[in-house]
Amino acid sequence: QVHLVQSGAEVKKPGASVKVSCKTSGYTFGGYYMHWVRQAPGQGLEWMGSIYPNNGVTKYAQKFQGRVAMTRDTSISTAYMELRGLKSDDTAVYFCARWAQVGPTIKVFAFDVWGQGTMVTVSS
Amino acid sequence: EIVLTQSPGTLSLSPGERATLSCRASQSVSSSYLVWYQQKPGQAPRLLIYGSSSRATGIPDRFSGSGSGTDFTLTISRLETEDFAVYYCQQYGSSQTFGGGTKVEIK
Repeated sequence: QVHLVQSGAEVKKPGASVKVSCKTSGYTFGGYYMHWVRQAPGQGLEWMGSIYPNNGVTKYAQKFQGRVAMTRDTSISTAYMELRGLKSDDTAVYFCARWAQVGPTIKVFAFDVWGQGTMVTVSS
Repeated sequence: EIVLTQSPGTLSLSPGERATLSCRASQSVSSSYLVWYQQKPGQAPRLLIYGSSSRATGIPDRFSGSGSGTDFTLTISRLETEDFAVYYCQQYGSSQTFGGGTKVEIK
């Protein structure tokens, strides 16, 4: 059974950094892209970026370029998302989500498994 | 960036009624690259529909998706109590974007 378990809630001051972890189990970690999606309180979903654990190649949403870093440790099947220069509007729940082929015969993809979410609060 | 606009923002319906949710894209999206998720309060989103019309594993057949080009629809034929939630569409034809969501609430 596939599981994504994220680290616990964080409270940070403006200007600080936060690093959220996503520990995976039940599948071959390296073979699936891992994405990060955030959700501000009462708001919708916002895609942040992705990492391919096999080679560490990342792709970030333009909004977060220069401020986010997605990394992985393949020895412990864990992905990380670090966000720097935190502002109050970075207050949100941050999710990791596995990107997988979900169609049985054609190449269609979706986020098929999600972590439970990590609440990050930015406040002075 | 492809912008997805979902309507209505909130749908107030009774159990047993039919729900029709719209997702409109700012430019054409291949139907293969359109996905729907359901999210309940305090939970992560759950995959419902992929490839615009295929139900994910374990999703009941009262959920159906359709559409092409810039207009996509999620239909819930007869609302069950557990279906009251927020629904998001997502496209990945050009980068990744989500719609703003439609809340289906009990009338």
